Amino acid sequence: DQQVKQNSPSLSVQEGRISILNCDYTNSMFDYFLWYKKYPAEGPTFLISISSIKDKNEDGRFTVFLNKSAKHLSLHIVPSQPGDSAVYFCAASAMGTNAGKSTFGDGTTLTVKP
Amino acid sequence: DAGVIQSPRHEVTEMGQEVTLRCKPISGHNSLFWYRQTMMRGLELLIYFNNNVPIDDSGMPEDRFSAKMPNASFSTLKIQPSEPRDSAVYFCASSFGVGVITDTQYFGPGTRLTVL
Repeated sequence: DQQVKQNSPSLSVQEGRISILNCDYTNSMFDYFLWYKKYPAEGPTFLISISSIKDKNEDGRFTVFLNKSAKHLSLHIVPSQPGDSAVYFCAASAMGTNAGKSTFGDGTTLTVKP
Repeated sequence: DAGVIQSPRHEVTEMGQEVTLRCKPISGHNSLFWYRQTMMRGLELLIYFNNNVPIDDSGMPEDRFSAKMPNASFSTLKIQPSEPRDSAVYFCASSFGVGVITDTQYFGPGTRLTVL
């Protein structure tokens, strides 16, 4: 049973527009969530995180929203740039147990067209 | 400043052979993580160390897999004997802290393993 799901394998947006990447989780014990970006032939790079005590966290062009009741989080990128084209992974963890261990989604490939 | 270094970047071997993957974490980091990425299972944590001590190896698939961290600047992941289903990209990551998830993990470029 996949506990973290990214239902859209790919997303294509125009440069300057908003990119919205979605992630759903099933484990109610998850209380810390992360987004990673991955370019081909490179390892994932941490992008932004949010704990369950918040519903929004913003860092520059990147904002993560958390809806605990719906067990849903989303990453907004505004404005999108061609350099944002990458695979984006959502990850979830329970801070109180298995410290350091995250469960990852399968990733969404974002393509930003010039 | 060098990031996490992994070697080799690519490895092709035959079924039954021993495979050793190597990782050098970022200097000063005291937690190290081994991940595997496959099409079927996505990105999954195999094992992680804090201060050279294995903390959680519940993700290690079976006894054919073993990991060591003899010192703070080096870790190995060994597969013996290797099987075709072990073909994957193996990532090493490191972080500074006690190994909790709120510590930012820095990933290496990965080792692409192909077992024929």
